[in-house]
Amino acid sequence: GAVVSQHPSRVICKSGTSVKIECRSLDFQATTMFWYRQFPKQSLMLMATSNEGSKATYEQGVEKDKFLINHASLTLSTLTVTSAHPEDSSFYICSAIQQGRRSNQPQHFGDGTRLSIL
Amino acid sequence: AQKVTQAQTEISVVEKEDVTLDCVYETRDTTYYLFWYKQPPSGELVFLIRRNSFDEQNEISGRYSWNFQKSTSSFNFTITASQVVDSAVYFCALSEMRSNDYKLSFGAGTTVTVRA
Repeated sequence: GAVVSQHPSRVICKSGTSVKIECRSLDFQATTMFWYRQFPKQSLMLMATSNEGSKATYEQGVEKDKFLINHASLTLSTLTVTSAHPEDSSFYICSAIQQGRRSNQPQHFGDGTRLSIL
Repeated sequence: AQKVTQAQTEISVVEKEDVTLDCVYETRDTTYYLFWYKQPPSGELVFLIRRNSFDEQNEISGRYSWNFQKSTSSFNFTITASQVVDSAVYFCALSEMRSNDYKLSFGAGTTVTVRA
């Protein structure tokens, strides 16, 4: 149980393109989802917290207009990298917390999306 | 300030050796949770263990064991009789209850390479 699906797993596109990444909880409802970014050989850095039906909460230094997050349902959150540039190339990974569960429950992670901007 | 410190950047061992990964955390909360995740080369994060601050019992799961010591704010992870499939990056993480936002603070990770 507690499976999180992330799609696509890999994206290669030209500079200036907007890229949408989906994060779905397959067998549970997630009121809260998180989006992380990971550069090569580095740790995961939280970008934003996505709450169903409300605006995302962004971490300091993360551009809201650059990284658009939508959490329209209890099973889906999307991250759109708008007008992507080479410096946006990174590994993006989402996680979800099951609805009604407290923070002692582990976050369930998707398999990540490797974004390469040419 | 770094909330989770994993001082070991890389560890290389020969198969069947034991390997211990250190994790030191910092928090003012009395209630918090500690986690270990494994990230193999394929990139996905695999949950290994969750421990709350009130449970200092050490835990063993197969070849994995964890040593939680609040006195030293450490939550170390040992792989016994390592195997090549254990090669991965291992992350220690902290979730503090005070903010009630369920956020995870990750350490920098330790890359474990197990050689045949």
